Amino acid sequence: DVKVTQSSRYLVKRTGEKVFLECVQDMDHENMFWYRQDPGLGLRLIYFSYDVKMKEKGDIPEGYSVSREKKERFSLILESASTNQTSMYLCASSLSAQGKTQYFGPGTRLLVL
Amino acid sequence: GENVEQHPSTLSVQEGDSAVIKCTYSDSASNYFPWYKQELGKRPQLIIDIRSNVGEKKDQRIAVTLNKTAKHFSLHITETQPEDSAVYFCAASRQWATNKLIFGTGTLLAVQP
Repeated sequence: DVKVTQSSRYLVKRTGEKVFLECVQDMDHENMFWYRQDPGLGLRLIYFSYDVKMKEKGDIPEGYSVSREKKERFSLILESASTNQTSMYLCASSLSAQGKTQYFGPGTRLLVL
Repeated sequence: GENVEQHPSTLSVQEGDSAVIKCTYSDSASNYFPWYKQELGKRPQLIIDIRSNVGEKKDQRIAVTLNKTAKHFSLHITETQPEDSAVYFCAASRQWATNKLIFGTGTLLAVQP
């Protein structure tokens, strides 16, 4: 059974803080993704990684960076949190190649004050 | 860039009725179309998908149809049950190597008992 976990379910941070969100998968998946979920906007891709140390920008990368030092772990970094980054963040992983199911983590609800 | 439009944003049906959710994609090169279901407070999960070489696919009470000429695809749920209540996301993909998906904005389906 695929397991994707995220470091926190809820997080409260202050404007300007550096925030780390971590995602770990245990299925040896090559691909990992970070999405942001906002009401009425669906799931928007922030960044994805198709291999260790490899990353590609998604549709809304501004204000974010990522790190993938190990295959099982994909981190999302908010360099200087802002209130407009208050959102639900979802991590996902999949095998490489099109058509492979993306397995999602439980999500981290981030509130930036 | 690539875009997926999804309608309606909310849908309320009586138990036992059918529900239809429609999506339109912009990139004619898209060739893989999954549907994800997200129950309240849970993570999104794949429920059905279709590839561009197929016009229709069924799995028990759910079916997906694809019209490549018109660039739209639809999710059909028959004999709806309260447990079908959830947010449904359509998605499209053209990148076979990275499995990158472009998601629609979601449809909140409420099945009234």
